[in-house]
Amino acid sequence: DAGVIQSPRHEVTEMGQEVTLRCKPISGHNSLFWYRQTMMRGLELLIYFNNNVPIDDSGMPEDRFSAKMPNASFSTLKIQPSEPRDSAVYFCASSLWDRAGYEQYFGPGTRLTVT
Amino acid sequence: TQLLEQSPQFLSIQEGENLTVYCNSSSVFSSLQWYRQEPGEGPVLLVTVVTGGEVKKLKRLTFQFGDARKDSSLHITAAQPGDTGLYLCAGETGTYKYIFGTGTRLKVLA
Repeated sequence: DAGVIQSPRHEVTEMGQEVTLRCKPISGHNSLFWYRQTMMRGLELLIYFNNNVPIDDSGMPEDRFSAKMPNASFSTLKIQPSEPRDSAVYFCASSLWDRAGYEQYFGPGTRLTVT
Repeated sequence: TQLLEQSPQFLSIQEGENLTVYCNSSSVFSSLQWYRQEPGEGPVLLVTVVTGGEVKKLKRLTFQFGDARKDSSLHITAAQPGDTGLYLCAGETGTYKYIFGTGTRLKVLA
């Protein structure tokens, strides 16, 4: 079975450009999470969805960040305009959210570099 | 703000040695998980502990959840180079949402 799929794996862009990261969760999972990982701040939860509905976006750093989940098999995280401090590895994770202690399955991540 | 502090931050040991990694918070968690992350990959779940005082074993790895559900430890016996990686604890905040610890980067030398 395919795991969580993220694209692109690497993205290099210039400051001010729009960046769109994509995620395909595991089929049958009902929850999707977007995380950002940096050396300084570790792994931070940005936003998560349950049954395609955003539940908590309190981790989204600024209005420049937006996330959508139009259906159960696809989600995007958009940064517009991008800034150098957005450089990080962005992970998408999915899970079957049915009880406490559920397992999150992480994708391989997208390494974003903003110059 | 809930914080999960892990110690040590970095650990470099020889193959065959034992080690313990700690995960501490002032907050109570519904459950706590441990993940291992290798370079270029996402974290992979090792274990979930739910009950205060719970101990779980996974081959050479032993995980314990504190009695008050505020802290946890991971003990590795006879470490091997394959154990090398970033170890992350994650506490469930009660809303099916996890916050991740600061991480312990382990390197096991052959």
